Amino acid sequence: DIQMTQSPSSVSASVGDRVTITCRASQDINSWLAWYQQKPGKAPKLLIYTASSLQSGVPSRFTGSGSGTDFILTISSLQPEDFATYYCQQAKSFPLTFGGGTNVEIK
Amino acid sequence: EVHLLESGGGLVQPGGSLRLSCAASGFTFSTSAMSWVRLAPGKGLEWVSAISDSGRNTYYADSVKGRFTISRDNSKNTLYLQMNSLRAEDTALYSCARDIREGRDNYGWFDPWGQGTLVTVSS
Repeated sequence: DIQMTQSPSSVSASVGDRVTITCRASQDINSWLAWYQQKPGKAPKLLIYTASSLQSGVPSRFTGSGSGTDFILTISSLQPEDFATYYCQQAKSFPLTFGGGTNVEIK
Repeated sequence: EVHLLESGGGLVQPGGSLRLSCAASGFTFSTSAMSWVRLAPGKGLEWVSAISDSGRNTYYADSVKGRFTISRDNSKNTLYLQMNSLRAEDTALYSCARDIREGRDNYGWFDPWGQGTLVTVSS
């Protein structure tokens, strides 16, 4: 199975800050990576797929980069509605696997 | 609007069974692969199972293989998850999700997700 490791597990930031979340795969997954945002009590929302493609309706302050084993999700200017938990997920092969999540908290 | 609504969760004793349902609307269900994903208390997301648009191909996480069965009824726009031999570690919020990744036998971009149905396995 492909293991996905996210860091940090938690980050405290202020509105307007640039936030970076990293995700590392245990083996080469090309660009078969997605990022999701989940708010308490809400269903996860797809932000990025194929490592860097922005899902329709997602603000452009979210960008994804990377390929192979190392990936980054960047929020360029954190907004109040962005405080949530973020997950990466590989789609290279079954079983599909998620990272452990990064909780973005208000500083 | 694309909408997924899960049902069928509840409290069940270890070793028991439950069948979850996911009613889909707002898109052509019969041309979309689907998955079940769960979120256990204090843990992260875990993919559980996937099924192709026709229902011909199914895939499972090792943790549920042999105990869970995914199926679909395209005439009813409904996805199912039959869960047998339930264990305490199966306690989680179970969500269904549409797979929007293009191409035959390609899986893994989930959008949207349902709100989920809670399964609690306890004596």
